[in-house]
Amino acid sequence: DAKTTQPNSMESNEEEPVHLPCNHSTISGTDYIHWYRQLPSQGPEYVIHGLTSNVNNRMASLAIAEDRKSSTLILHRATLRDAAVYYCILRDGDKIIFGKGTRLHILP
Amino acid sequence: GAGVSQSPRYKVAKRGQDVALRCDPISGHVSLFWYQQALGQGPEFLTYFQNEAQLDKSGLPSDRFFAERPEGSVSTLKIQRTQQEDSAVYLCASSLFTGSNQPQHFGDGTRLSIL
Repeated sequence: DAKTTQPNSMESNEEEPVHLPCNHSTISGTDYIHWYRQLPSQGPEYVIHGLTSNVNNRMASLAIAEDRKSSTLILHRATLRDAAVYYCILRDGDKIIFGKGTRLHILP
Repeated sequence: GAGVSQSPRYKVAKRGQDVALRCDPISGHVSLFWYQQALGQGPEFLTYFQNEAQLDKSGLPSDRFFAERPEGSVSTLKIQRTQQEDSAVYLCASSLFTGSNQPQHFGDGTRLSIL
């Protein structure tokens, strides 16, 4: 499975946008880019996914580089409830291979 | 609507005992997955069902781990002769269809502690 690289942790101020980067230089043409997040004591929560084009939903936006070797999850206005571990995942099959993710801290 | 439900939420067992963990997926979801999450780590894949068929069990750590989904809905993960290294959170997820573009919906897990 192709691997992703994310920063271990990031900080952001409340009510400001957050850009979470992910590098996936070995991505293949059939890999979907998925993002999940995990709040403390909860299971992972699906955030967004895409293949080639940028995607928007009610939770976030996903910006995918033209060469698909990197992507960025954008939270438009962070709240304290967005503090979580964010996982960037490449999927070419049914199961999910999680990495260590980025722990996002939100400062009030 | 109802999400993925797992029970029990917490389970404490003595080393050597057998345990059974239950997962109720979202109604109508074809695919069901089990993951194991050790403290401070990301979840790791254990096994996967499409309806009642177990299509992938490559992540099960030993033959002490057994999963079933006999009627294609509820699933049970059984661990026999538990060991301390089995202590972890066991997560269940389901998705409506198969495929790498399908979101998985996770339950909040069962936290298993082996004494």
